[in-house]
Amino acid sequence: AQKVTQAQTEISVVEKEDVTLDCVYETRDTTYYLFWYKQPPSGELVFLIRRNSFDEQNEISGRYSWNFQKSTSSFNFTITASQVVDSAVYFCALSEANTNAGKSTFGDGTTLTVKP
Amino acid sequence: DTEVTQTPKHLVMGMTNKKSLKCEQHMGHRAMYWYKQKAKKPPELMFVYSYEKLSINESVPSRFSPECPNSSLLNLHLHALQPEDSALYLCASSLRTSLLLDNEQFFGPGTRLTVL
Repeated sequence: AQKVTQAQTEISVVEKEDVTLDCVYETRDTTYYLFWYKQPPSGELVFLIRRNSFDEQNEISGRYSWNFQKSTSSFNFTITASQVVDSAVYFCALSEANTNAGKSTFGDGTTLTVKP
Repeated sequence: DTEVTQTPKHLVMGMTNKKSLKCEQHMGHRAMYWYKQKAKKPPELMFVYSYEKLSINESVPSRFSPECPNSSLLNLHLHALQPEDSALYLCASSLRTSLLLDNEQFFGPGTRLTVL
């Protein structure tokens, strides 16, 4: 069975602070995919990143960076120099390769509030 | 066009009404999804269509009836809903359902449904 835990329910920071959103996952598969999505107040889920289990390279995209560590089953997301527009709910999700049907297990989400 | 559109944005209906939610994409995607999202919860998968055929029904009550008339359109027909069905209904599409491709899901903005 697959499971995703986002232990931080809500985080509040002041603009320009760095913030890390934690994601811990459980799976018995050796091949799986991890995702991060952003859901702003408008409601639309925005895809941020996908990582497969064989690619442990960290990734940086502008102010966003992701740290994937199989040893601790974690896929953490860091926003550097946060901005008010980063305020949203962030979901981490896991898909096992053997499902082959586009099914993802989502964490409960972390609500990030960035104050000016 | 990298957009998934959904209509209507908001819908209020009584328990005896029949209504439909619509979703459209023109990205050539052959997998389409319906999700239900309650407030402060992650999205829950309801249905998956692959090449216009229903491939997954996550034990959704029959008062929700999906339809995929062609590769660009996905409908969700609603009949005799209950107040607890009030939620944000999200549509998504992806190139395929297989996870072996770069296959992230693109989400629409959702329809916020209220059942009175």
